[in-house]
Amino acid sequence: AQKITQTQPGMFVQEKEAVTLDCTYDTSDPSYGLFWYKQPSSGEMIFLIYQGSYDQQNATEGRYSLNFQKARKSANLVISASQLGDSAMYFCAMRGKNRDDKIIFGKGTRLHILP
Amino acid sequence: GAVVSQHPSRVICKSGTSVKIECRSLDFQATTMFWYRQFPKKSLMLMATSNEGSKATYEQGVEKDKFLINHASLTLSTLTVTSAHPEDSSFYICSAPQAGGIADEQFFGPGTRLTVL
Repeated sequence: AQKITQTQPGMFVQEKEAVTLDCTYDTSDPSYGLFWYKQPSSGEMIFLIYQGSYDQQNATEGRYSLNFQKARKSANLVISASQLGDSAMYFCAMRGKNRDDKIIFGKGTRLHILP
Repeated sequence: GAVVSQHPSRVICKSGTSVKIECRSLDFQATTMFWYRQFPKKSLMLMATSNEGSKATYEQGVEKDKFLINHASLTLSTLTVTSAHPEDSSFYICSAPQAGGIADEQFFGPGTRLTVL
């Protein structure tokens, strides 16, 4: 069975600082995908970044980067130069190797950016 | 990116009534769609996988007779909450991977907030 663990229920970060959101996972599948989603108070799920288990490079998307450490089964999200608009709920998620496989989510981390 | 819509965005109903929620992929075809529910300040819990042309696959603990799923076409899946009760009040979100697309992400609908009085 797949499992996603996010151990930080909430975080407070000063604006313009970098922030790391932790995520560890467990799976017996040799091939899988890892996601990070942002959910603001409006409820929409905003895709941030994706990392395939066999990708050689850590994924990056603008201010977002994924620190993928396969041996440790961790996939931390790093947000550089945080902005007030980054305040939201952040979910780490995992999927099997196929695009049609279901995605399971961690419990999430509530990020608060302080002015 | 691809767009997934949900209708209605909000619904309030009386206990005992049935409510239908639609999930549409607007600019791509989706042979598979997923239905999640989310309680306040909680994570998304997968309820079921909706498969076009066949029966949905329900997660353990989800009552299939209560949450009816129909995936009638490649762009539409519906979730019907039958005989709704106050404990069914929740935020329901659907998602769909883009069949044949190159993106690895799943596209989420904006969600439907159900309140059962």
